[in-house]
Amino acid sequence: AQKVTQAQTEISVVEKEDVTLDCVYETRDTTYYLFWYKQPPSGELVFLIRRNSFDEQNEISGRYSWNFQKSTSSFNFTITASQVVDSAVYFCALGWDKLIFGTGTRLQVFP
Amino acid sequence: DTGVSQDPRHKITKRGQNVTFRCDPISEHNRLYWYRQTLGQGPEFLTYFQNEAQLEKSRLLSDRFSAERPKGSFSTLEIQRTEQGDSAMYLCASSLGFRQGAGETQYFGPGTRLLVL
Repeated sequence: AQKVTQAQTEISVVEKEDVTLDCVYETRDTTYYLFWYKQPPSGELVFLIRRNSFDEQNEISGRYSWNFQKSTSSFNFTITASQVVDSAVYFCALGWDKLIFGTGTRLQVFP
Repeated sequence: DTGVSQDPRHKITKRGQNVTFRCDPISEHNRLYWYRQTLGQGPEFLTYFQNEAQLEKSRLLSDRFSAERPKGSFSTLEIQRTEQGDSAMYLCASSLGFRQGAGETQYFGPGTRLLVL
């Protein structure tokens, strides 16, 4: 069975702090995709990144970076110099077509 | 570039009534997905279509739920004889599908929030 675990239910930081959101997954598939989505208070899921199982290179996009490690089945997400606009619920997801989501991590960034 | 749209955005209904939601995917996206999200949880897969063919249905999709995508464009999700447990956000997503180089990134609509009284 496939499973995504986001153990951090809620994280609070002060603006400009760095924050890492953890994601651990379970799958028996050898080919799969991993995703991160952001869900702001408006409710719409916003796509952030997709990674396939063959590509373990870390990726950086502006203040966002992702660390994919197959050895530990983890796909962690770091926000550098957090801003109030980063406040949202962040979901990690696993899948090839249908997605299996974690329960999300609520990030609150205070000014 | 128009994103995924869903209608209505909010629906309040009484238990036992039927409701229908509509999803319009991104143009040229041949896959369309439905998910359900309850408070404090991540979205849960319900069903998906490739063009007009319904390829998979979750066990979550009871007999009271039916989804269609008749012409391979927009899709409808109908819930018959609604129950209070059906109260949730219903999310629609679309993707290009596994065309060469396109991958399978799903883009989500704003959702339809259903409240069953």
